[in-house]
Amino acid sequence: GENVEQHPSTLSVQEGDSAVIKCTYSDSASNYFPWYKQELGKGPQLIIDIRSNVGEKKDQRIAVTLNKTAKHFSLHITETQPEDSAVYFCAASRAGAGSYQLTFGKGTKLSVIP
Amino acid sequence: IAGITQAPTSQILAAGRRMTLRCTQDMRHNAMYWYRQDLGLGLRLIHYSNTAGTTGKGEVPDGYSVSRANTDDFPLTLASAVPSQTSVYFCASSDRGLTGELFFGEGSRLTVL
Repeated sequence: GENVEQHPSTLSVQEGDSAVIKCTYSDSASNYFPWYKQELGKGPQLIIDIRSNVGEKKDQRIAVTLNKTAKHFSLHITETQPEDSAVYFCAASRAGAGSYQLTFGKGTKLSVIP
Repeated sequence: IAGITQAPTSQILAAGRRMTLRCTQDMRHNAMYWYRQDLGLGLRLIHYSNTAGTTGKGEVPDGYSVSRANTDDFPLTLASAVPSQTSVYFCASSDRGLTGELFFGEGSRLTVL
């Protein structure tokens, strides 16, 4: 089955700096790579996703890059703000099989220091 | 819009007892999922259902069962709880191919003593 490795497990940045979280996956058939943000006491929420036919995707301060050859993808957050503090999860799946059975990474706890 | 509703939000349970975690969605999504979240292990898929009447096993199905009698409800049952099932359980749903986004509930924190 799929295996997703996520690094780092914790990350502290100063407000305004950038944050980068990296993930690798094992199944070359995976073609859908979402990122979820989980705030304390809440369920995870999708913040951005990318499909294998795209190398990069941006949404305001958030961007995701995908390198299918190397089987890794990354989340980039620019101009970090205190409200970005949360746990972030990457995931991978074979989309189109009828459902999205995501395999998640172990998570990165991001702390943005004011 | 409620989205995904889970109950109970928190429960302490004696080992050996039977427990059902409830999950209801109002988005008419075809696919539903149960994940458990443990510190340092992330989210792991327990069971899923692509559509009403069908279920499948995920990564960690042992000790759990599910049913999908209709589109909206997807209960998770622990037939005889053990301490290793102490976890936070999240139910989720998706529209099965249209966007890929999983919508999660707020979670059910279960402690088995």
